[in-house]
Amino acid sequence: ETGVTQTPRHLVMGMTNKKSLKCEQHLGHNAMYWYKQSAKKPLELMFVYSLEERVENNSVPSRFSPECPNSSHLFLHLHTLQPEDSALYLCASSLLNSPLHFGNGTRLTVT
Amino acid sequence: AQSVTQLDSQVPVFEEAPVELRCNYSSSVSVYLFWYVQYPNQGLQLLLKYLSGSTLVKGINGFEAEFNKSQTSFHLRKPSVHISDTAEYFCAVTNTGNQFYFGTGTSLTVIP
Repeated sequence: ETGVTQTPRHLVMGMTNKKSLKCEQHLGHNAMYWYKQSAKKPLELMFVYSLEERVENNSVPSRFSPECPNSSHLFLHLHTLQPEDSALYLCASSLLNSPLHFGNGTRLTVT
Repeated sequence: AQSVTQLDSQVPVFEEAPVELRCNYSSSVSVYLFWYVQYPNQGLQLLLKYLSGSTLVKGINGFEAEFNKSQTSFHLRKPSVHISDTAEYFCAVTNTGNQFYFGTGTSLTVIP
């Protein structure tokens, strides 16, 4: 149990589908993150929600849409994805100036 | 902007031998430094962190790392590795509190 729970663990979707990834933490953290992990590349920060403000990586395509309804829950809404979006999507949470705590990730395959 | 360089993408080492995984960072301001480990089909788990104080930090599973400000390095070491240490290791840096930058990772393979 990592303290950060991600669902589903695996997801296969077509390019015309709409799906959502879910992340939940009960560690009392005040920041939540989405990272994309692709083989042989650094982890790519996609979005940060910190103290209810959102910071985003401007290179993330608009087909990825985050939602953070409260400090414990984070979603990543997906629509009209491309095959190159196939990757491991990691959620993390933290307190300010403290280490990240990661979930086990969602392995996404876009067909 | 900050960046993290992990010089070795793959490190094979025999069981019970010592290992060092290298990490260099670029930053003009004070930073916090971390090492994470990732086992197959799992997320990243914190091994150790440097926030301030002693430059030699000890983490879980017998790992330690030394912060060297003049060389902008934060190399990870273990005096005797086990088969169970086979995993991917990531170095990370932050100075703003919620913008973390990761290296590309080093795959450690422990050979029986």
